[in-house]
Amino acid sequence: DADVTQTPRNRITKTGKRIMLECSQTKGHDRMYWYRQDPGLGLRLIYYSFDVKDINKGEISDGYSVSRQAQAKFSLSLESAIPNQTALYFCATSASGDIQYFGAGTRLSVL
Amino acid sequence: AQSVSQHNHHVILSEAASLELGCNYSYGGTVNLFWYVQYPGQHLQLLLKYFSGDPLVKGIKGFEAEFIKSKFSFNLRKPSVQWSDTAEYFCAVKPGGYQKVTFGTGTKLQVIP
Repeated sequence: DADVTQTPRNRITKTGKRIMLECSQTKGHDRMYWYRQDPGLGLRLIYYSFDVKDINKGEISDGYSVSRQAQAKFSLSLESAIPNQTALYFCATSASGDIQYFGAGTRLSVL
Repeated sequence: AQSVSQHNHHVILSEAASLELGCNYSYGGTVNLFWYVQYPGQHLQLLLKYFSGDPLVKGIKGFEAEFIKSKFSFNLRKPSVQWSDTAEYFCAVKPGGYQKVTFGTGTKLQVIP
């Protein structure tokens, strides 16, 4: 079983819809991250959390929100999806903020 | 803010050719450096890392990277690439005392049999 699991793996939604991407991990790490990957732009940090009561904005948090329901779970929500949020989304975990362990990704299309 | 530059966006090589991918960063203090690889359709995984010590670090699958502090560089190398090395490669930097890792924009490597 994967150490970092993302669901769903693929999602197609319409503009204006609210959607949630989920991430769970079995590595026991305190730190969790959400990134989006766009061609030519690499990975950009959306939100990160260092423990259940700690949530921080990344470089591109507008239009997104997160919830850290437990040490092992970190969800990303798009409150009202728009087409330029079409991207590949990755969740990652780390123990110390150094080496990061990534999930398989969620490919999101907003029509 | 710190930045990470990968100047080669797309590299095409024949099998057995030598590889060098450039990575430069802007932070002047102590840094931890990483190269991650993303094979087609897969997630990112760590290829190698530098925290301290010998500036020449060896990673998996025959890759190595050299940290040159004076040049703010951490270039990735492999003497002889294989078709299976076709992937996207990301350099990443974590400055000392910072909590976040900054990723470069990635370099797509295509190896032709």
